[in-house]
This record gives sequence, structure tokens and C-alpha cells, in this order.
Amino acid sequence: DTAVSQTPKYLVTQMGNDKSIKCEQNLGHDTMYWYKQDSKKFLKIMFSYNNKELIINETVPNRFSPKSPDKAHLNLHINSLELGDSAVYFCASSPPGNTEAFFGQGTRLTVV
Amino acid sequence: AQSVTQLGSHVSVSEGALVLLRCNYSSSVPPYLFWYVQYPNQGLQLLLKYTSAATLVKGINGFEAEFKKSETSFHLTKPSAHMSDAAEYFCAVIQSGGSYIPTFGRGTSLIVHP
Repeated sequence: DTAVSQTPKYLVTQMGNDKSIKCEQNLGHDTMYWYKQDSKKFLKIMFSYNNKELIINETVPNRFSPKSPDKAHLNLHINSLELGDSAVYFCASSPPGNTEAFFGQGTRLTVV
Repeated sequence: AQSVTQLGSHVSVSEGALVLLRCNYSSSVPPYLFWYVQYPNQGLQLLLKYTSAATLVKGINGFEAEFKKSETSFHLTKPSAHMSDAAEYFCAVIQSGGSYIPTFGRGTSLIVHP
């Protein structure tokens, strides 16, 4: 019974390719996020959605496009991948009041 | 604006010794504060949280943290370290009444020696 699940767990791809990472939560939460964790373990918010609507879009290249088909899913599509996109991407969700974030296991993206 | 500072990117202790991981926050309004743990190749797991109730918060795995408003601190402690505690620890803050987006510190790597 995985609460927040991401697929794939590992993704190795060449520069210039387009790839997607999928995220699903079965907790009934309204709010979902994407975070990027760099090689120094720093976690930076990328996007936040509340009930399928974009709430926060931090300074992220427009090659990154989140899509939320319903409030249980928040997918991340990345166009024209660059070496600097290599990182671990975490999906998370929060209940109403956002008093806690539940994280997925992460997707390790390696661009070669 | 909210932010979190974790002092020390690495903390090394002997098994059985006290663990102290430091976190200071800045927030213009009363914050919610969290400690998360990340084991290698895993996601983040909540250890404990402060949401304006008791200032001493007990979490999982024997960890606790104390909210000290006068010091703007939320340090994480454990009386006796275990080898299995070796992991990355993140302090996070949510500013109540704001965007409610968790902002994370840069993390502290806890190393436990036998």
C-alpha cells in the first residue's frame, strides 16, 4: 500500500531526449509537489498543485512541464534534457492544512 | 519569507553517544517545523513535527526536538545513537498563513561509528 508512488525509480537517458516521471498518491490529498534534490542533497521546490491547479511554479526552466490529470496524479514531463537536469526528483503530497508532506521514493534521473 | 539553517553538513558520533542536530529557522509568523530522515536511496520519512502544540515533540526511533521561540531553534536529539541512525536529516519549515510549501534546510549527514 504505497502512499506516494513514483515511476520509474531510475531513468538514464541521453541529452536532448524528452522524458516523463509519473506520480500517484492514494492518500486522498489535495496538494502535490515536485522537488529536485541535487548532488549535494539540497531539496528545492519546483512545483505545487492544489486540486489539479498550479499554485507554485518556482524558477524552473520551461522545459519542465507538470501535468495533473486528477488530484491523485502529478506527472512531470521534461523536454530537451540537459546534463544539469541529472538529479533525484521527489514527488510529495499533503493533506488539507498542509501540516505534513508525504514523499515518494524518488526518481534518479541521469542524463548522459 | 521563511528559511531554515542547519548547522553542520556532517555530524559524527559514536554508537551510544548523544545525537544533536541543529536547526534554526526564520519566519515572520509562527511556523510549523519538521524533521525528516532520508536513508540511502530512499525518500524522506517524517521523524516528528511541531505545529504549535507542546514545545517538546517526540518522534519515531527515539528522536525528539524542542521548539524554542526565543532562540528560533528546533534542534533534534536522541540520547543514544544506534548504527541504524546513520542517514541524512532534514529540517523543514512551513509558514502558517503563507503558501504552506515546505522549505528544507540543506541537510545534515549523521555518521555513527561503532
